[in-house]
Amino acid sequence: DTEVTQTPKHLVMGMTNKKSLKCEQHMGHRAMYWYKQKAKKPPELMFVYSYEKLSINESVPSRFSPECPNSSLLNLHLHALQPEDSALYLCASSQTGVPLYEQYFGPGTRLTVT
Amino acid sequence: DAKTTQPNSMESNEEEPVHLPCNHSTISGTDYIHWYRQLPSQGPEYVIHGLTSNVNNRMASLAIAEDRKSSTLILHRATLRDAAVYYCINYGGSQGNLIFGKGTKLSVKP
Repeated sequence: DTEVTQTPKHLVMGMTNKKSLKCEQHMGHRAMYWYKQKAKKPPELMFVYSYEKLSINESVPSRFSPECPNSSLLNLHLHALQPEDSALYLCASSQTGVPLYEQYFGPGTRLTVT
Repeated sequence: DAKTTQPNSMESNEEEPVHLPCNHSTISGTDYIHWYRQLPSQGPEYVIHGLTSNVNNRMASLAIAEDRKSSTLILHRATLRDAAVYYCINYGGSQGNLIFGKGTKLSVKP
């Protein structure tokens, strides 16, 4: 099973709402990633977790708060977002966070901030 | 910034081979060459990766130049399902994470 699942598929939220995105993998991978992809642009890395610890934060605003409760699960908590945060949010995982291993991506959550 | 250069778009006919080029003249000795593709309305999908030697898998072949400054992704028989944006990424010591460039949009004609 090489599947990364993401829920929900679509999310519409207002600027004062709090919501969470969820990502799950059961491949035993110890590195997990969040990417953001605006329309017609390539994905951009947001966060990297390695062995359940945050190892990279690509200067992401604090209104995005990642969490890795266990090795299979990755959350992205959203609060006080802006309309420009509307995008496709992609989760990925890899065996470990070294370039020897490929990353497996989920289908993404399409977020609209109104 | 992405350290690779790819054509913006390419066209192919169905059932013909496709050669997708990538230049990475500043690649370091520890950088792997990863290829991913993204079909419309889907997340990126891993295709293949290598370090120095040519690589083959069930999806494609990767030909790496001897000086490693360029590589070519080879799809042996293009299908309509191969229409996607293909990303070539140097991933390794000089660039510790997957940094996606603009990629090549491949169109496949029946």
